[in-house]
Formats: sequence, C-alpha cells, structure tokens
Amino acid sequence: AQSVTQPDIHITVSEGASLELRCNYSYGATPYLFWYVQSPGQGLQLLLKYFSGDTLVQGIKGFEAEFKRSQSSFNLRKPSVHWSDAAEYFCAVSLPGSARQLTFGSGTQLTVLP
Amino acid sequence: SQTIHQWPATLVQPVGSPLSLECTVEGTSNPNLYWYRQAAGRGLQLLFYSVGIGQISSEVPQNLSASRPQDRQFILSSKKLLLSDSGFYLCAWVNQDRLMNTEAFFGQGTRLTVV
Repeated sequence: AQSVTQPDIHITVSEGASLELRCNYSYGATPYLFWYVQSPGQGLQLLLKYFSGDTLVQGIKGFEAEFKRSQSSFNLRKPSVHWSDAAEYFCAVSLPGSARQLTFGSGTQLTVLP
Repeated sequence: SQTIHQWPATLVQPVGSPLSLECTVEGTSNPNLYWYRQAAGRGLQLLFYSVGIGQISSEVPQNLSASRPQDRQFILSSKKLLLSDSGFYLCAWVNQDRLMNTEAFFGQGTRLTVV
C-alpha cells in the first residue's frame, strides 16, 4: 500500500542547533514530494517541493530537503533553527497526473528551546 | 493572484445538528478542490476531492458529504454531527491545468468542535 511515514512525532531542539526531520515514502513509482509547515490553528504553507532533477532542493525560511531514491526518503533540514520555526511539519507526496492529490505523513511537531 | 477562502474559522455545534462549511477559490478556473480533516495529534486525512462541478470523489466512508455547486465553490456538509466529527478541516485547491506542478494551496482551516 502507498504510504508516507514521518517516524518522529515530536522533536525538540535548541535555538541555533541544526535540524533534520525524516520522511519516508512507499510508492510504486517516484512521486512528487513536498514539505509543508503548519503554525497553530493555521492552514499549511509550502516549504519546498521536489519533482525531478537536482535531488537537493532549497525552500523558504532557510530549509532544504534531499531526495534519496535508494532510501525512499525526503528529509528536511535546516542548519540553524530559529524560535519562529516551532510548528508542525508535514511531508506529503502525490503521484504525477493524479487528481487524488496529496497524501500526508502524520506530522512532526517541532519545539524550539531558547 | 489566486486566493482561497474558508469559513467559518471556528465552529461549536451540538451533536445531531447539521453542518455546512464553505470554501471558495478566486483567481483561477476549473481547479481541483479538496477537503482534508486533521484530528488532534494526527496527520491530514483526505475526505473528498472534486475535479469539476458536480463531481465528487469520497475517500473514506463517513458521516460527511461534499458538493460542488459552482466551479470555485466546495461545500462540506453533514445532516447530523457526531462527536467524532470534531477536528480541523482544511480546504485546498490545485491548478488542474498544471498537473506537473501539483502544489496545493490551503485555506486557513475551520476548527469544528462537536459538543
């Protein structure tokens, strides 16, 4: 069955520390890959996306993600976390040309300590 | 530019009452439209999607229904709410003409509490 897994439910890091949020997918073909961020009580904002080409993609707010086909992973990274990065992060996939659209992981809640 | 409106932002309804959440999109035509639900501490679950007027696909059996009476309007409804319908509901759209660029745009969500 097709699925998206975010193994870390909650991550806590100190401000200024580096961050990596994990995402693994299980699909028959390489899907399109996305990371979204959700602030409390708000909708989702796209951080970055991967369709094809360079496997290291840059997003907004200093985030980047690397697609690794051999590991079926699309991990999100940031070299230095800011307190404003505290939010919930969702990995999502969609199949090219599919109207069904995004399948989301269960999310990772990020807490940033001062 | 394209925008998406979703209302109300918050809603408290008694069990057994009806529900109607509305989502409208501006600045685009013939979008794909989606309703997601986010239960507390859980990810987003796709409830319904629509590729055109009157065309609704349901992802999971449930107490809810959806309708698309106009090209840029998507409505989520229930005749009788259950406690388990509580959650955060998100509407989203995707430009159907650009399936290679399947970024979804989300509304601000509706927090529904059934009491």
